[in-house]
Amino acid sequence: SSELTQDPAVSVALGQTVRITCQGDSLRNYYASWYQQKPGQAPVLVIYAKDNRPSGIPDRFSASSSGNTASLTITGAQAEDEADYYCNSRDRSSNHVVFGGGTKLTVL
Amino acid sequence: QVQLQQWGAGLLKPSETLSLTCALSGGSFTNYYWNWIRQPPGKGLEWIGEINHRGGTNYNPTLKSRVTISVDTSKNQFSLRLTSVTAADTAVYYCARGNNRYPYWHFDLWGRGTLVVVSS
Repeated sequence: SSELTQDPAVSVALGQTVRITCQGDSLRNYYASWYQQKPGQAPVLVIYAKDNRPSGIPDRFSASSSGNTASLTITGAQAEDEADYYCNSRDRSSNHVVFGGGTKLTVL
Repeated sequence: QVQLQQWGAGLLKPSETLSLTCALSGGSFTNYYWNWIRQPPGKGLEWIGEINHRGGTNYNPTLKSRVTISVDTSKNQFSLRLTSVTAADTAVYYCARGNNRYPYWHFDLWGRGTLVVVSS
């Protein structure tokens, strides 16, 4: 089935903007969803349905996509945004669900 | 409040069968996909498989030969069985609700996770 590729680690200075990317063929058919995971906790959905945020997710989280690449942008990163971020999609041909390998975000 | 509660044995010996159950409370069981996802210590998320309320299943090809996901709609529960476990199956196992409205897919509800350790 299709795979999703993410950079293993990204860092950002406090208050600055950071983009986390995700690439894979499945993104040509399904939009990516994005999850934040902090140590010892279950993943939390932060972006779904192209660029929607669940209730309680700050508006500094946004998303975009083009072709086989999806991006999660945090505008004005905060210390509490330090976490692992995973993209997720569904492969239309195989009907299987796929995850990216995750990106560890460090806020400096 | 809609939530998923999961339970099952947390310590297994090699070759045993992993069995976990997840129950939905406060919400509808229909029109969603009910998933199992796992995360080995220090590693990323791996999709195991899913089932819909009609019992239709879909599995990760790498685990398909050992996985069975079943559903009990009368109890709003679904279960995971993974046979012949090895140390490589040691992970936190999550149940999650999948929302499929093409071209949008996401997991909008997660269980808290169950750590399953396989050790002799």
